[in-house]
Amino acid sequence: AQTVTQSQPEMSVQEAETVTLSCTYDTSESDYYLFWYKQPPSRQMILVIRQEAYKQQNATENRFSVNFQKAAKSFSLKISDSQLGDAAMYFCAYRSAGYGNKLVFGAGTILRVKS
Amino acid sequence: DAGVIQSPRHEVTEMGQEVTLRCKPISGHNSLFWYRQTMMRGLELLIYFNNNVPIDDSGMPEDRFSAKMPNASFSTLKIQPSEPRDSAVYFCASRIRTGVANEQFFGPGTRLTVL
Repeated sequence: AQTVTQSQPEMSVQEAETVTLSCTYDTSESDYYLFWYKQPPSRQMILVIRQEAYKQQNATENRFSVNFQKAAKSFSLKISDSQLGDAAMYFCAYRSAGYGNKLVFGAGTILRVKS
Repeated sequence: DAGVIQSPRHEVTEMGQEVTLRCKPISGHNSLFWYRQTMMRGLELLIYFNNNVPIDDSGMPEDRFSAKMPNASFSTLKIQPSEPRDSAVYFCASRIRTGVANEQFFGPGTRLTVL
């Protein structure tokens, strides 16, 4: 079974600065997808960014980018120019390739943004 | 699009009572997932359906939990009888299966409190 580990229970960043959230995963599969979800206090789960394992290029979405290291099974999220609205719980998630497969989530990292 | 709709948003009940949580997936989506979020166990998949058929219910805690999807636009998660340890936030998510990388869209969740 696949597992996802987020080793940082909590992180803090100053507004306008950059922060990196860590995620590692364990799998024997070669084809899969990785995601970062944001959960603000409203509890709504919001997709931040996704990465297909077969793509070598790291995904980027505006201020959010990932560092995907397939051999190391590492998938970190970098948030640049942090904003107060970025404060939330962030979850790393894994999904096997194929249709209809479930997401396996990490334990989450609470991100606090200081003004 | 209204997104994934869950009802009720909050439910407070007493131990032993039956609880029914409801979900309406996004129109056209043919995979539906039920997740539970607790402080102790994080986000865990309970069950998921493809084309209204349950595919994996290995996450359902015990026989007190049951889920149905009578049609493509409605699903229920029932707990009978409820226990205090069932207190959690329950999320429903849906996804369209035509693209393997397509994301799951989450509903706002139902916060269940069992006294």
